[in-house]
Amino acid sequence: GAVVSQHPSRVICKSGTSVKIECRSLDFQATTMFWYRQFPKQSLMLMATSNEGSKATYEQGVEKDKFLINHASLTLSTLTVTSAHPEDSSFYICSAGGGFSDTQYFGPGTRLTVL
Amino acid sequence: AQSVTQLGSHVSVSEGALVLLRCNYSSSVPPYLFWYVQYPNQGLQLLLKYTSAATLVKGINGFEAEFKKSETSFHLTKPSAHMSDAAEYFCAVSGGKGSNYKLTFGKGTLLTVNP
Repeated sequence: GAVVSQHPSRVICKSGTSVKIECRSLDFQATTMFWYRQFPKQSLMLMATSNEGSKATYEQGVEKDKFLINHASLTLSTLTVTSAHPEDSSFYICSAGGGFSDTQYFGPGTRLTVL
Repeated sequence: AQSVTQLGSHVSVSEGALVLLRCNYSSSVPPYLFWYVQYPNQGLQLLLKYTSAATLVKGINGFEAEFKKSETSFHLTKPSAHMSDAAEYFCAVSGGKGSNYKLTFGKGTLLTVNP
């Protein structure tokens, strides 16, 4: 149980375009989903926390207009990187949890490369 | 507020030897503690967690960790390393429901296993 999927696993886009990443909890309802960014050989940096049906809470320094997060249902959250630039290239990982669960379960990650 | 310190960014052991990965935490509330493992280009997999029950926690793949409040530690051990254990290991702390189960990660420890 507690499986989280992400789509796509890898995406390459041109500078200035927008990219949407989906995060789904496959076998449980996630009242809370988290989005992280991970740079090579570094730890995870929390970008934002999203609760189903409400606005996401962004960490300090994360541009909310650039990284749009939507958590419209208990099984789906999306992260849209708007007007992507090469410095947005990174590994993005989502996790799901909340409700009765004290544990975050992680997706497999999405590798974004902006040319 | 919470913080995690993982001592040793890189640990190297021989196959069959004891694995010891160190984690110390700081928390202003009773902590929830987690160990996750990450293989290259993948998300995080939960190894084990401590959430105020038994202080010696057994996880998957033969790993275990002991919560020591007096030492504010949660070190991860495995009696005998396998080649397949080579990966990045992250210790994380949460303040539980009061903090929306938000995780604070350590910087990670890369475990290499030599034949």
